[in-house]
Order: sequence, then C-alpha cells, then structure tokens
Amino acid sequence: QVQLVQSGAEVKKPGSSVKVSCKASGGTFSSYSITWVRQAPGQGLEWMGGIIPIFDTANYAQKFQGRVTITTDESTSTAYMELSSLRSEDTAVYYCARGMYYYGSGPLGYWGQGTLVTVSS
Amino acid sequence: QPVLTQPPSASASLGASVTLTCTLRSGHSNYKVDWYQQRPGKGPRFVMRVGTGGIVGSKGDGIPDRFSVLGSGLNRYLTIKNIQEEDESDYYCGADLGSGSDFVGVFGGGTKLTVL
Repeated sequence: QVQLVQSGAEVKKPGSSVKVSCKASGGTFSSYSITWVRQAPGQGLEWMGGIIPIFDTANYAQKFQGRVTITTDESTSTAYMELSSLRSEDTAVYYCARGMYYYGSGPLGYWGQGTLVTVSS
Repeated sequence: QPVLTQPPSASASLGASVTLTCTLRSGHSNYKVDWYQQRPGKGPRFVMRVGTGGIVGSKGDGIPDRFSVLGSGLNRYLTIKNIQEEDESDYYCGADLGSGSDFVGVFGGGTKLTVL
C-alpha cells in the first residue's frame, strides 16, 4: 500500500523560502514520478512540477521556473519541494502525488495529505 | 485558450445521472485525460483515465461502478449514475502533455457538482 506523508504546516514571511517534504512508503520509490500540486484557498488545482527519482531531472511549470526546486533523497524515499521568493499569493495547500506508471508519470494515483503554507508578514 | 476547459458548476438530483465534460484545446485530440474527485475539505482522489477509446487502465481505489468515462474528439466525459450524496465534490480533469520522464502536467479549472 503506497503512502505519502508530508511535513507539517508552515508560516513564512514574504521573500523567504519554504521546503516541504513528502516521505513515501510501499512500492519502489525510485521508478515512479513524484509530482507537486498546489491549491490556493477556494481555487483549483495547479501543477507545479515533478520528478522521477531514478532520472533525477525535474520538470517545472513555466509559471514556477526559477522559483521552485524539486529534489529527492532515494536513501530515505523522500521528495522535497522548495519554493523561494514567497509572496502572499503562494498561500496554498501543497500536495505531493505519485504517478502510476513505471519510469513515467501517468495518473496521480496516490496523494499526500497536503501541507498548508501561509505567507504573511 | 487553456489546454483543458471545464464548466464551473453542475447539479443533479439524488438518484439521477450527470455527465461532466472536459474539453481539450484544439490540436490535442489524441491526449488522454485523468479525472480526479475532491470532496469538501479533502485531498484529490484519482477516479480514472480516459482516451478516445474510453477508459485507460483501471479505476482508482474504491471508485464505484456508477462512475464511467467516454472520450470523443476533443471532449472527455465523466458520467455518474444513481448519484449519491457523497458524490457532491469538485471534479478536475488533468493531462500529461509530455512523454516518459519529460512530463508536464496541467489541470482544468474544475467543476463543482451539487447534489440536489
């Protein structure tokens, strides 16, 4: 049974950075994609970027290029999403999700519980 | 024009049927689309993937037989029969615009389904 457990809620100042973790259990960590999706209050889902750990190259949505970094630590089966230069519009719940296809993405079949990041002065 | 377009709202009576639509942008008629359900206050949940030939692969865990999909042209449909109260949710379609390890995703704006 695949489970994704994310780190706890964060409150950050504008201009700072946040790093959210996503620890996977069950299944093979390295061969499946981890994608990060965010949802601002009352808004829809927004795809941020993703990575397949064994290939170690992340893909990012154009909107977040230069501001987001997605990494993995295969030794602990943990993925990380770091977002810099935070502004109030980055206040959102951040989800990690695992793809269902081996060595590819595919549907996001497993989701973490979400991490609320609040950006406020 | 967004890659995926969804009407913002839909409604149906208890026990009735409803079809939700996700429309791909012109030039993307070959793309498969994933449907996700998000109940109030909860995280998203994978429902199933649909292409022009219908369902691709298996439904998500615990998705009842009342849920089905169809694909035609630029449209990808999610039909829910015998609607129950627990079906009241936001439904999002998503697509992978890349291939293999070079994947890039996108979501539609979501449809809020109200059960009357």
